[in-house]
Amino acid sequence: NAGVMQNPRHLVRRRGQEARLRCSPMKGHSHVYWYRQLPEEGLKFMVYLQKENIIDESGMPKERFSAEFPKEGPSILRIQQVVRGDSAAYFCASSPPTGPAYNEQFFGPGTRLTVL
Amino acid sequence: ILNVEQSPQSLHVQEGDSTNFTCSFPSSNFYALHWYRWETAKSPEALFVMTLNGDEKKKGRISATLNTKEGYSYLYIKGSQPEDSATYLCAFFDNQGGKLIFGQGTELSVKP
Repeated sequence: NAGVMQNPRHLVRRRGQEARLRCSPMKGHSHVYWYRQLPEEGLKFMVYLQKENIIDESGMPKERFSAEFPKEGPSILRIQQVVRGDSAAYFCASSPPTGPAYNEQFFGPGTRLTVL
Repeated sequence: ILNVEQSPQSLHVQEGDSTNFTCSFPSSNFYALHWYRWETAKSPEALFVMTLNGDEKKKGRISATLNTKEGYSYLYIKGSQPEDSATYLCAFFDNQGGKLIFGQGTELSVKP
């Protein structure tokens, strides 16, 4: 049973370009969470999605960031017009649709974004 | 703003030493506390999900306790081994949105 997959593992973008980060949850999981780790900081929640729905986006920057989890395919975190401050490791986690809401979240390996 | 604090920030011990770290979290509206182990270049891996006051969970040489009334949890490692070297994260489950609020982590280094 494959774990949470993220790609690419490393992404380099120049200022002003777009970054697209992909996350395929574990098989059977329908809840996806995105977290960000800025340099010298801990993991910070960004957004919680279920299939075709954004449940909580309270951690998303107001501009340039968006996330989706379509009916088919991976979840996408999109950052438009990247700036140097967006350089960070972005982690995706997933959890199953059944059981308590506080279920264990399974993490992917992360995408390390570097903005030049 | 929900705040989760972990101490110490880092810890260096010798192989065979036993050690423990602390996680402090809001004591109101408690649902669950998670402990994760995060090795360099790998994904965070769940150790425990704790929900009941007074609960104690164990996995091999690692155990954790929970006090929801005063808002703290301890993680214990008995007889540390070099392979225990990792960052240990605790995370408070925020039921308002269904998200985890992570502490900064305790970085453990075990020297042979």
